[in-house]
Amino acid sequence: KAGVTQTPRYLIKTRGQQVTLSCSPISGHRSVSWYQQTPGQGLQFLFEYFSETQRNKGNFPGRFSGRQFSNSRSEMNVSTLELGDSALYLCASSPATANSPLHFGNGTRLTVT
Amino acid sequence: GESVGLHLPTLSVQEGDNSIINCAYSNSASDYFIWYKQESGKGPQFIIDIRSNMDKRQGQRVTVLLNKTVKHLSLQIAATQPGDSAVYFCAEGRGGSNYKLTFGKGTLLTVNP
Repeated sequence: KAGVTQTPRYLIKTRGQQVTLSCSPISGHRSVSWYQQTPGQGLQFLFEYFSETQRNKGNFPGRFSGRQFSNSRSEMNVSTLELGDSALYLCASSPATANSPLHFGNGTRLTVT
Repeated sequence: GESVGLHLPTLSVQEGDNSIINCAYSNSASDYFIWYKQESGKGPQFIIDIRSNMDKRQGQRVTVLLNKTVKHLSLQIAATQPGDSAVYFCAEGRGGSNYKLTFGKGTLLTVNP
């Protein structure tokens, strides 16, 4: 079974631009979560989607948004990029059943210059 | 505040030895705990998880111990191998959520041949 797939692997953007990251969950997984990983703050929860609905959101500004499609694939968008948005963005999926852990992709490395 | 922290930021062991990575958590409401391994350039890889109604859970070469009295979590790796070298994260969740996790800062495990 294929794992969580994230595209692209690397992105370089300029301050003020916007970016869209894509995630394909493991087949059959309906829950998709997004995390930001930085050396200073570690792994931080951004949001989670299930059945195309955002169920929970972390403490990030409104510039960070996401969506989920009917096939469970998900995208996240960051608008008006800031230098501090440079990070590894990780997508994780789970079947959303009891005792089912999150499985992460290898992330998208975003660099904002 | 709510946080999950690791006692040791780095751990160096000899190949074949047993490794113990420790983690303290501060939120007594947490009911789900999980360990991940992250290798360079990859996303976190699920190792093992445990719910608060258990004290111990074993996997292949790994054991997680949960002490709710002192809010302490540990990961034991038996017969550590060079391939175990990575950063190890503990994370906590609560309210039945396995997707909104609070991660610790990580411990770097180095296995010397």
